[in-house]
Amino acid sequence: SQTIHQWPATLVQPVGSPLSLECTVEGTSNPNLYWYRQAAGRGLQLLFYSVGIGQISSEVPQNLSASRPQDRQFILSSKKLLLSDSGFYLCAWSYPLRRFYGYTFGSGTRLTVV
Amino acid sequence: AQTVTQSQPEMSVQEAETVTLSCTYDTSESDYYLFWYKQPPSRQMILVIRQEAYKQQNATENRFSVNFQKAAKSFSLKISDSQLGDAAMYFCAYRSAPGNEKLTFGTGTRLTIIP
Repeated sequence: SQTIHQWPATLVQPVGSPLSLECTVEGTSNPNLYWYRQAAGRGLQLLFYSVGIGQISSEVPQNLSASRPQDRQFILSSKKLLLSDSGFYLCAWSYPLRRFYGYTFGSGTRLTVV
Repeated sequence: AQTVTQSQPEMSVQEAETVTLSCTYDTSESDYYLFWYKQPPSRQMILVIRQEAYKQQNATENRFSVNFQKAAKSFSLKISDSQLGDAAMYFCAYRSAPGNEKLTFGTGTRLTIIP
């Protein structure tokens, strides 16, 4: 069966520090991968998605970047965090072209920038 | 671009009663998929139910069912025999059948279950 792992679960970082959140998927190959952000009490905002190694699509201009160094690994990064980067970050995967199956989400990372 | 609207930021229901959460969407496509996700206090996103646009029959999953009205672009979620564990944020989502791989979410409805 397929599983998705996301870590860390909680992170408190000072303003100006770097960020690295990691997401890995097991049990499938060539998944589509996604990073979403959810501000407190708000909906989900798509940040990045990837349909293959090295292929990253950015949805919003921001202080963040994403990379996919391996088929089932997706990394969200920042060189210098801003207060506005605080939020709940969710990684998700889906089967390519099998859109009926929707997404499967990781357990999320709660990021607080102080 | 497709948009998804959930006009009820909050809803409440007595335990064991039935509640309906509303969702409308805007699209020019004829083939697509619709989803309801649940986000409990743990914040884990859980798929509740899904519907294929070309199927007229409404999807059901145990106590959860949908009322899919394609012409009206409406996709409501009905929860029967509400339980305390149903308390969560519920998100409606849209996905194109052709085209891009993205899922577009509504802003969510917070459901409270009253014991």
